[in-house]
Amino acid sequence: EAQLVESGGGLVQPGGSLRLSCAASGLTFTTYAMNWVRQAPGKGLEWVSALSGDGDSTYYADSVKGRFTISRDNSKNTLYLQMNNLRAEDSALYYCATSRESTGYYNFDYWGQGTLVTVSS
Amino acid sequence: DIQMTQSPSSLSASVGDRVTIPCRASQYISTYLNWYQQKPGQAPKVLIFTASNLQSGVPSRFSGSGSGTDFALTISSLQPEDFATYYCQQIYSTPPTFGQGTKVEIK
Repeated sequence: EAQLVESGGGLVQPGGSLRLSCAASGLTFTTYAMNWVRQAPGKGLEWVSALSGDGDSTYYADSVKGRFTISRDNSKNTLYLQMNNLRAEDSALYYCATSRESTGYYNFDYWGQGTLVTVSS
Repeated sequence: DIQMTQSPSSLSASVGDRVTIPCRASQYISTYLNWYQQKPGQAPKVLIFTASNLQSGVPSRFSGSGSGTDFALTISSLQPEDFATYYCQQIYSTPPTFGQGTKVEIK
């Protein structure tokens, strides 16, 4: 059974940076596109970013473009999200989610339990 | 971006009821529509892919329908474990977008 474990969240001041990680196991990592999806407390789901299995293709929501960078290390089965110039509105629970590339990038079949990011002074 | 609208944002139902949750897209999306269930404190879980295809392991009381701009998730006989929030998601174009969710509560 596939498992995704996020880490790296925490409290950061506006304008600060954080790097989130998502460690994957129980799946053939390179055959999955990887995504970050966030959920502000008590709110709905918002897609943040996607990355192809080979790491060559990246996609971002307009709200994070130019501030966030998605990457992966296929030798470590790990996904990353480098978040710079953080804003209060970036505060949320950040989930990593997989999608079999053969079915497209956004069919989220496995999810982690999330890591909480709080941006506040 | 394609907007997904779920209305109502919540509904009350009893165990055994047939429940239908609507979802509307702001433009044509064919059948590129998924449904997720989220329980408090848990990650979302996919129920339905491409409008009507049941994810492996999901009970058959869940079904999806629709195409174009109007879709629905139906629970044929509501069970206690089905009280949750349900989200639709379009994957027709980037960015993929979610509806705001419909919370199914106990009557």
